[in-house]
Amino acid sequence: NAGVTQTPKFQVLKTGQSMTLQCAQDMNHNSMYWYRQDPGMGLRLIYYSASEGTTDKGEVPNGYNVSRLNKREFSLRLESAAPSQTSVYFCASRPARGVWETQYFGPGTRLLVL
Amino acid sequence: KQEVTQIPAALSVPEGENLVLNCSFTDSAIYNLQWFRQDPGKGLTSLLLIQSSQREQTSGRLNASLDKSSGRSTLYIAASQPGDSATYLCAVGAPRNAGNMLTFGGGTRLMVKP
Repeated sequence: NAGVTQTPKFQVLKTGQSMTLQCAQDMNHNSMYWYRQDPGMGLRLIYYSASEGTTDKGEVPNGYNVSRLNKREFSLRLESAAPSQTSVYFCASRPARGVWETQYFGPGTRLLVL
Repeated sequence: KQEVTQIPAALSVPEGENLVLNCSFTDSAIYNLQWFRQDPGKGLTSLLLIQSSQREQTSGRLNASLDKSSGRSTLYIAASQPGDSATYLCAVGAPRNAGNMLTFGGGTRLMVKP
């Protein structure tokens, strides 16, 4: 199993450009999450998908959209990138059979917006 | 709103020392508390997960405790090694929309010197 994979690993954008961050998991997990991590800070939840076909806003959703394409894939889209969106983005997944479970994280996408 | 704080933000110790990392949270209505390890440029790896009904969990040289009533957790690392150098993140799992949502602290950056 590859676990949680994210593409690309690193991206540079100019202000106003758009891009989609891809995330896939091969563990048959129901729930998937997108976080951002800024220097010296913990992770903050952007959006999540509790199950296939549903998405919900997290703590910092402004400027982002998501798509739960199928059970495996959960993408994050920046329609018009801003320098404030420079960050490291992590995708995570969880089986969601019970509240006792941990989340499994991908390696992250480092995004620089100029 | 749940807030999670980790003290200290950074810690440097000589190899072989026992050390304690601290985590505090403001809302005691939690499902569980997790400690993660993050290596530079990498994703998060779950170290220990303590359910709300438990007081502690142990894995090798790591021991995590949870005091829900006081809103505190500690991660004890025995006989520290240079390979323990990393950022340690505490995350509290709490109910939201029938899911287990994580709120992260800012992390403690640990350096163990040979």
